[in-house]
Amino acid sequence: DAMVIQNPRYQVTQFGKPVTLSCSQTLNHNVMYWYQQKSSQAPKLLFHYYDKDFNNEADTPDNFQSRRPNTSFCFLDIRSPGLGDAAMYLCATSPRSGGLNEQFFGPGTRLTVL
Amino acid sequence: KQEVTQIPAALSVPEGENLVLNCSFTDSAIYNLQWFRQDPGKGLTSLLLIQSSQREQTSGRLNASLDKSSGRSTLYIAASQPGDSATYLCAALNYGQNFVFGPGTRLSVLP
Repeated sequence: DAMVIQNPRYQVTQFGKPVTLSCSQTLNHNVMYWYQQKSSQAPKLLFHYYDKDFNNEADTPDNFQSRRPNTSFCFLDIRSPGLGDAAMYLCATSPRSGGLNEQFFGPGTRLTVL
Repeated sequence: KQEVTQIPAALSVPEGENLVLNCSFTDSAIYNLQWFRQDPGKGLTSLLLIQSSQREQTSGRLNASLDKSSGRSTLYIAASQPGDSATYLCAALNYGQNFVFGPGTRLSVLP
């Protein structure tokens, strides 16, 4: 089935140790998003790619970076995780065309920072 | 800038009751509005998408309506079941912007 896949589902890292989260999609969607969601809060958009055009939100910390090497894959790099970066990280995709800009989400990666 | 709110923040109902969840947005020039369900510790599952030209969408026991002029969308759940217990989020998409999420309504359906 076409879907959005995130790996790993759970990630534990140490304070300051770089970590990479991955997302892949079989939907062939042009747009990919990374969201951060903390407990009982709305998802907060970090980045999005419109094809290969990268867009980061103004308030996304410099500690976060992203790569999209091809249509199917997108990575979120956290260079020096702090305790405040512990959260659920959600990847989503969206088709470009028409009014059906529906978002499709992966299962998320739960990041714990020790 | 679009802002999305959801009321109530939490809701507890007995099984079998019909219920309405509310979503309000400040900028009525939306492209579409999407409702999601999120189970604890999980990703978001899309429930319904309403395009700006539509007034409602239905899927099974769910019905979502959209009133752009008043800046409101409602999600109606008929004959609620314990399996409906989850957090329900709405997200609005405006022209030239990204999706903006509401904080969600946490629903508990008691057996």
